[in-house]
Amino acid sequence: DAKTTQPNSMESNEEEPVHLPCNHSTISGTDYIHWYRQLPSQGPEYVIHGLTSNVNNRMASLAIAEDRKSSTLILHRATLRDAAVYYCILSKPGGGADGLTFGKGTHLIIQP
Amino acid sequence: NAGVTQTPKFQVLKTGQSMTLQCAQDMNHEYMSWYRQDPGMGLRLIHYSVGAGITDQGEVPNGYNVSRSTTEDFPLRLLSAAPSQTSVYFCASSYSAGGITEAFFGQGTRLTVV
Repeated sequence: DAKTTQPNSMESNEEEPVHLPCNHSTISGTDYIHWYRQLPSQGPEYVIHGLTSNVNNRMASLAIAEDRKSSTLILHRATLRDAAVYYCILSKPGGGADGLTFGKGTHLIIQP
Repeated sequence: NAGVTQTPKFQVLKTGQSMTLQCAQDMNHEYMSWYRQDPGMGLRLIHYSVGAGITDQGEVPNGYNVSRSTTEDFPLRLLSAAPSQTSVYFCASSYSAGGITEAFFGQGTRLTVV
């Protein structure tokens, strides 16, 4: 199965943009790129997902490299409530009933 | 809209005791799953279900049983609790298996086995 690599932790200042990187050099053509986040003492929460094109929603933007071997989650203006562990996950459509494979993610620290 | 509801939120068990963790969703999702999360780690899949009456094992199924008699409910049973099962348990649901739909997670059950 394709794996993802993320930095263990990142730090940013409140009200500044945050770029969270993810490498997935063995991604297959049908793998979707998902991002989830987990706030302290909470269950994971869906953030965004995409296949090839960049995606935007109310929470964040997802920038996908042209070769799809990396992607970046962009929080446009971080707040203290964005402090969480962010997981980059690859998942296949249709089949793949074996769930989402969570790594250790990136622990995002937001400084006031 | 309640989403995914897990009960209880906290539980302490003695070694050898059994118990059932409850999970219910009100979104009419076919796919439901159970994960465990150990300190500092990501989530690992225990069991999953692609619809009522259909269940299968995930990555770490030993010591756990599941059943799915209705679309809404997916309980997880610990047969004989062991200290190694001390963990936080999350239930999730989604419209389908696979990677094109978002998964919704419950708030978790924090289980301690002494």
